[in-house]
Amino acid sequence: DQQVKQNSPSLSVQEGRISILNCDYTNSMFDYFLWYKKYPAEGPTFLISISSIKDKNEDGRFTVFLNKSAKHLSLHIVPSQPGDSAVYFCAATSVGNQFYFGTGTSLTVIP
Amino acid sequence: GAVVSQHPSWVICKSGTSVKIECRSLDFQATTMFWYRQFPKQSLMLMATSNEGSKATYEQGVEKDKFLINHASLTLSTLTVTSAHPEDSSFYICSARDPRVTGELFFGEGSRLTVL
Repeated sequence: DQQVKQNSPSLSVQEGRISILNCDYTNSMFDYFLWYKKYPAEGPTFLISISSIKDKNEDGRFTVFLNKSAKHLSLHIVPSQPGDSAVYFCAATSVGNQFYFGTGTSLTVIP
Repeated sequence: GAVVSQHPSWVICKSGTSVKIECRSLDFQATTMFWYRQFPKQSLMLMATSNEGSKATYEQGVEKDKFLINHASLTLSTLTVTSAHPEDSSFYICSARDPRVTGELFFGEGSRLTVL
């Protein structure tokens, strides 16, 4: 059973515009959420995270929004840059437990 | 940030041979490391949790006799794919939690295994 879902396998966005990547989860016990960025043949790198006590966390061009009632989080990238082209994974966890990953969304930023 | 390093990054082997992949935490001690496998266009699948000084905990469906995990020190965990077959070809990634950083998981660069 997939506890974390990313329903859009791919997304294309023009350079300079906003990229919005979505993620849904089913387990209400999750209290920490993360976004990872992955280039081909490389390990994922941490991008941004949010605790369940917050509904927004911002770091430069990257903002993560959390809607606990809808069990939904999103990653906003603005402005999008060609170097942002990668696969983005969302992950969810609770204290002391394993991380659950979504299937990833491949973002292509078109110059 | 914390650094987790994997070696080798790319390995090709013949069917029936064994391959060892190393995962090191370079600037922190990790009592627990995680091994993931990624199939093309699929999510990261947790294979096992590696515990320093004790036996690894394997996820359901993962053969512990095929994927041997050893966590002999606080900075090194190894995954050995024994008697590898073409279906074992995949991208293997390790990760570790830095106890100095709450919540975050740091990943190695990944190891691409191709079994001929």
